[in-house]
Amino acid sequence: GENVEQHPSTLSVQEGDSAVIKCTYSDSASNYFPWYKQELGKRPQLIIDIRSNVGEKKDQRIAVTLNKTAKHFSLHITETQPEDSAVYFCAASTPHYSNAGNMLTFGGGTRLMVKP
Amino acid sequence: DSGVTQTPKHLITATGQRVTLRCSPRSGDLSVYWYQQSLDQGLQFLIHYYNGEERAKGNILERFSAQQFPDLHSELNLSSLELGDSALYFCASSVGRSSGNTIYFGEGSWLTVV
Repeated sequence: GENVEQHPSTLSVQEGDSAVIKCTYSDSASNYFPWYKQELGKRPQLIIDIRSNVGEKKDQRIAVTLNKTAKHFSLHITETQPEDSAVYFCAASTPHYSNAGNMLTFGGGTRLMVKP
Repeated sequence: DSGVTQTPKHLITATGQRVTLRCSPRSGDLSVYWYQQSLDQGLQFLIHYYNGEERAKGNILERFSAQQFPDLHSELNLSSLELGDSALYFCASSVGRSSGNTIYFGEGSWLTVV
């Protein structure tokens, strides 16, 4: 099955700096890559996603890039703010053609700390 | 608010017991997913149902079972509970069943096994 690895596991940046989180996936059939932000004890919230036919997507201070050949994708947060502090999860969605199911496999998470 | 409703929010039970977690998907969503998140752990996929039928299965223990009813709500049954089953259980939903559908998570059910 799909395996998603995420680095780093923790990341500390100064307010205003940029943060980059990287993920790799193993299954070349994966075609959808969302990123979720999770605050302590709360539900994961979708912050941005990218599909396999697109190389880059941006939404204000957040951008995601995808390299299908290398099977890796990255989250970029610019001008970080203290409220960006949370755990970020990347994920890869792999179609299950045999049963038309949808399995979203998550990376291990990155704890981002933005220091004021 | 994602529109995915989970009950109960918190549950404390003893080892060996059985519990049922309930989930109502967002209006119009036909897919329901269950995920387990243990302390300091990532999100582990358990199972996916679409319109009442099981569509994908992850690392779900045999002691766990799930179903999706005709009104599309879903239940996750956990039996013969062990201390290690203590976790945050998330339900999520999406409109369709195939890869690429945006998945929205509920607030989760905290299960503590003592």
